[in-house]
Amino acid sequence: EPEVTQTPSHQVTQMGQEVILRCVPISNHLYFYWYRQILGQKVEFLVSFYNNEISEKSEIFDDQFSVERPDGSNFTLKIRSTKLEDSAMYFCASGRIGSGDTEAFFGQGTRLTVV
Amino acid sequence: SQKIEQNSEALNIQEGKTATLTCNYTNYSPAYLQWYRQDPGRGPVFLLLIRENEKEKRKERLKVTFDTTLKQSLFHITASQPADSATYLCALMDSSYKLIFGSGTRLLVRP
Repeated sequence: EPEVTQTPSHQVTQMGQEVILRCVPISNHLYFYWYRQILGQKVEFLVSFYNNEISEKSEIFDDQFSVERPDGSNFTLKIRSTKLEDSAMYFCASGRIGSGDTEAFFGQGTRLTVV
Repeated sequence: SQKIEQNSEALNIQEGKTATLTCNYTNYSPAYLQWYRQDPGRGPVFLLLIRENEKEKRKERLKVTFDTTLKQSLFHITASQPADSATYLCALMDSSYKLIFGSGTRLLVRP
């Protein structure tokens, strides 16, 4: 069964460093998302991506964040200068949404720890 | 402001009973309401969705109802099993196709 894969599963980084979280969405999906979940809190929307551009972003997704789909299969989230409060699980999701199917398929997440 | 609330942080029930979880929302007109399961340290897994013009949906031991007048969805697991223990997330999908999640209800099914 196709699945969304994320790498790495765990990333530890120093405050102020740049990190890139990687995702391979399911191949025939059209919509791509990044969510984050701070420990013990709810899953929060960061950004959605469709047709090679950002379709919507939340207030959390400030200038420190960027997304790219560099080669038609990978979907990356970059945090330019990490802060302690960026420590969280980051989930990538994809869906065929808009073609009659609306569920999102989530990866297993990257646990980002900023020290 | 828009809000999604799930009735309780935790629900503790005996194996074999029916678990009922509640999701209420305000200031939304969702096209779809979805339920996901999340296990510790894992990503959410889709379970069921219900459209705004549907009242009820079933899948095996799961049942979802959707009342757009009350702005409420109920999620039922019948004949619950210890393996059903997890956090269950209600999520609304708006017209821009983004999912907004509630904070979840942690279900514990005791053997």
